[in-house]
Amino acid sequence: EADIYQTPRYLVIGTGKKITLECSQTMGHDKMYWYQQDPGMELHLIHYSYGVNSTEKGDLSSESTVSRIRTEHFPLTLESARPSHTSQYLCASSETSGRSGSYNEQFFGPGTRLTVL
Amino acid sequence: KNQVEQSPQSLIILEGKNCTLQCNYTVSPFSNLRWYKQDTGRGPVSLTIMTFSENTKSNGRYTATLDADTKQSSLHITASQLSDSASYICVVTDRGSTLGRLYFGRGTQLTVWP
Repeated sequence: EADIYQTPRYLVIGTGKKITLECSQTMGHDKMYWYQQDPGMELHLIHYSYGVNSTEKGDLSSESTVSRIRTEHFPLTLESARPSHTSQYLCASSETSGRSGSYNEQFFGPGTRLTVL
Repeated sequence: KNQVEQSPQSLIILEGKNCTLQCNYTVSPFSNLRWYKQDTGRGPVSLTIMTFSENTKSNGRYTATLDADTKQSSLHITASQLSDSASYICVVTDRGSTLGRLYFGRGTQLTVWP
């Protein structure tokens, strides 16, 4: 079991609310990622980080924002949630390639299931 | 366009039976291919990883194959168990990306019945 945690696991909120999804890892990994996954569909990368103070947008456009102030913490924020944000959000982390020969294996958290009413 | 296609979309088998899941990809340049298992409501967990030079890799009852020439992979599960019920996702890493960009298939939803 990977040491990567996400809270909350489930969240049901009303439209217009501000939310923050938490993600923490204790493996000391430099790289962290946020994915969005809808039922029966592939994971889509929405944000990633190479390390502290690094944040980049992924392939799928998202109205969310992220921050990376500490290595172990990579929270995702939605300023004003809408029903279109209803989805599962998965956080992952990986070592910088080449250091362990792990071929960039990404370790995933359990996910947050977000429902916006 | 880099893509990963999986088949079948869903599969139901009886406990104890074997099954094979398929993955075709167009990701280039290719770094490696992983099969992940995702239980309902959980994050994906890596089962196997295969690089360009590897044809077969086993992990217990899971055996993955890779044909880098035809860009096809399969995951064979032997003597299935109820706990094998999950989504199996084929994931290909793009060697040309400093991020190690992953391309995900939509998964095969496997259900094992008693």
